[in-house]
Amino acid sequence: EVQLVESGGGLVQPGGSLRLSCGTSGFIFSDHYMDWVRQAPGKGLEWVGRSRDKAHSYTTVYAASVQGRFTVSRDDSKNSLYLQMNSLKTEDTAVYYCGRRRQGSGRHAVDYWGQGTVFTVSS
Amino acid sequence: DIQMTQSPSSLSASVGDRVTITCRASQGINNWLAWYQQKPEKAPKSLIYDASSLHSGVPSRFSGSGSGTDFTLTISSLQPEDFATYYCQQYYDYPITFGQGTRLEIK
Repeated sequence: EVQLVESGGGLVQPGGSLRLSCGTSGFIFSDHYMDWVRQAPGKGLEWVGRSRDKAHSYTTVYAASVQGRFTVSRDDSKNSLYLQMNSLKTEDTAVYYCGRRRQGSGRHAVDYWGQGTVFTVSS
Repeated sequence: DIQMTQSPSSLSASVGDRVTITCRASQGINNWLAWYQQKPEKAPKSLIYDASSLHSGVPSRFSGSGSGTDFTLTISSLQPEDFATYYCQQYYDYPITFGQGTRLEIK
């Protein structure tokens, strides 16, 4: 069974830093691109960033709203995905979800999601 | 960025109704479109990928169609568990973008 479990949420002051984690099981983690998606309170879904797989050199892509502040990384030996968030703003407050992209080259959608972790930026 | 516009933003319907939600992309995205269902305080759930392919385990009353810029999600006979918010998403180009969501409520 495919499972994704986010952790690391909490309360951080503006300008601070935090790292979220997404632990996975039930599939070959190294074969999949992985995404972070967030949802601000009462708002819709917003794509945050992506880590490509080993075959694509673990390259990353980001939304403009987080480019230069957030870093997506992964540790295939631990089947885990990370989101390092720096220079945090109040507008980064959201539930953060990790998602597994369907396997294969070319364009694919996310097929499995974690349950989300809540993160608040406030003084 | 590719803008995704869903209509309607909200919809009231009854159990057993046939419901259609529309998603329009600001430029052509071939068939690189997904639909997700989200219930309050829950994670999104994958329904459809590549515009018309059903994700494993999703009931056959859900279907998707379209290509290019115009897409639809249809629920053939609404069940009580289908009342939720639905999002379309394009993965044709970066940044990946979502529609604003369609809230499906019980009439």
